[in-house]
Amino acid sequence: DIQMTQSPSSVSASVGDRVTITCRASQGISSWLAWYQQKPGKAPKLLIYAASSLQSGVPSRFSGSGSGTDFTLTISSLQPEDFATYYCQQVNSFSYTFGQGTKLEIK
Amino acid sequence: EVQLVESGGGLVKPGGSLRLSCAASGFTFSSYSMNWVRQAPGKGLEWVSSISYSSTYIYYADSVKGRFTISRDSAKNSLYLQMNSLRAEDTAVYYCARDLASVAGYFDYWGQGTLVTVSS
Repeated sequence: DIQMTQSPSSVSASVGDRVTITCRASQGISSWLAWYQQKPGKAPKLLIYAASSLQSGVPSRFSGSGSGTDFTLTISSLQPEDFATYYCQQVNSFSYTFGQGTKLEIK
Repeated sequence: EVQLVESGGGLVKPGGSLRLSCAASGFTFSSYSMNWVRQAPGKGLEWVSSISYSSTYIYYADSVKGRFTISRDSAKNSLYLQMNSLRAEDTAVYYCARDLASVAGYFDYWGQGTLVTVSS
């Protein structure tokens, strides 16, 4: 199975900050990567698919980049509603695997 | 409005069985591949199983292969997960999720989840 490793595991930031989360695949996955946001007690929400495509309805402050094994999710200017846990997911091959998550906390 | 509503979770003893259901509405269910994803308490997300729109292709995570069976009924707009030989490590919130149209593996709509607890 392809392993997905996110860093950092947690990050503290302030409203208005720019934040970057990274995700590394254990082998090349082209651009077959998604990013999800999850708030406590809620289902995950798809933010980015195909590494850099913004899902409909997601604010443009979210962006994704990368291909092969290294990927990033960037939030350009943090808003109060962005504090949550973020997961990457590879869909290059079954079984699909998720990263361990990055918890974004208020500083 | 797309809606996915899971049901069937509960407390079950190790070795027992449970059948989860996911009722879909607001879209043409028969045109989309569907999935189950689980999340153990306080842990991350784990993909469990996928079924193509026509049920032709079915995939399972190694952790559930041979014990869980995914199925769907387009007449009832419903997705199912039959879980047998349950173990403590199967304790989790189980979500059903829809594939993004024509792009397998990206989950654009999720249900609210149903909790399965495996304990004696």
